[in-house]
Amino acid sequence: DTGVSQDPRHKITKRGQNVTFRCDPISEHNRLYWYRQTLGQGPEFLTYFQNEAQLEKSRLLSDRFSAERPKGSFSTLEIQRTEQGDSAMYLCASSFGGITEAFFGQGTRLTVV
Amino acid sequence: KQEVTQIPAALSVPEGENLVLNCSFTDSAIYNLQWFRQDPGKGLTSLLLIQSSQREQTSGRLNASLDKSSGRSTLYIAASQPGDSATYLCAVRNNAGNMLTFGGGTRLMVKP
Repeated sequence: DTGVSQDPRHKITKRGQNVTFRCDPISEHNRLYWYRQTLGQGPEFLTYFQNEAQLEKSRLLSDRFSAERPKGSFSTLEIQRTEQGDSAMYLCASSFGGITEAFFGQGTRLTVV
Repeated sequence: KQEVTQIPAALSVPEGENLVLNCSFTDSAIYNLQWFRQDPGKGLTSLLLIQSSQREQTSGRLNASLDKSSGRSTLYIAASQPGDSATYLCAVRNNAGNMLTFGGGTRLMVKP
């Protein structure tokens, strides 16, 4: 296991389309986090899972966003009816427990045109 | 609500200089603080993790300190190299929450 893996690395979509991103965490990590980062800013928290349970969601996560982590392994983040304001880097991170070092994936760059 | 600030926002230094990046946070009730490096268009690479009970951590040419009571951390980079050019982000994990709260980053350029 070489780290947190995200797919795709880049996604260009037309406004109004739905997109789905995947994150594969480090295998023994029970915590999985999603963040969003816009150009020149630090990442902002979206949501996190402990095993398969989604325990917290940010106010940034509108009704158009949904995240799942079936069986406590990989996670998906879906954005419905994409808007230009959704253009950002979507980052996934994992950790073992809530207070250990967090490791991030390479991110998915979303561009909505 | 935790707020994290990084100063300066950008820094340009000649190769070989020692430098200090600053991070401040408003709520001192933290579990830990983590420093990351981010190259353009890439994800985050973890550099150092300091638990709330620790004062500093070292890895190679990097040294991070934590003063929880004053809400400050510094990242010291010794003998900077052009390969150190990147954005450096600090993030804190609060006792009350489980997410990391990030600063806006310091964009570092080390000139040959």
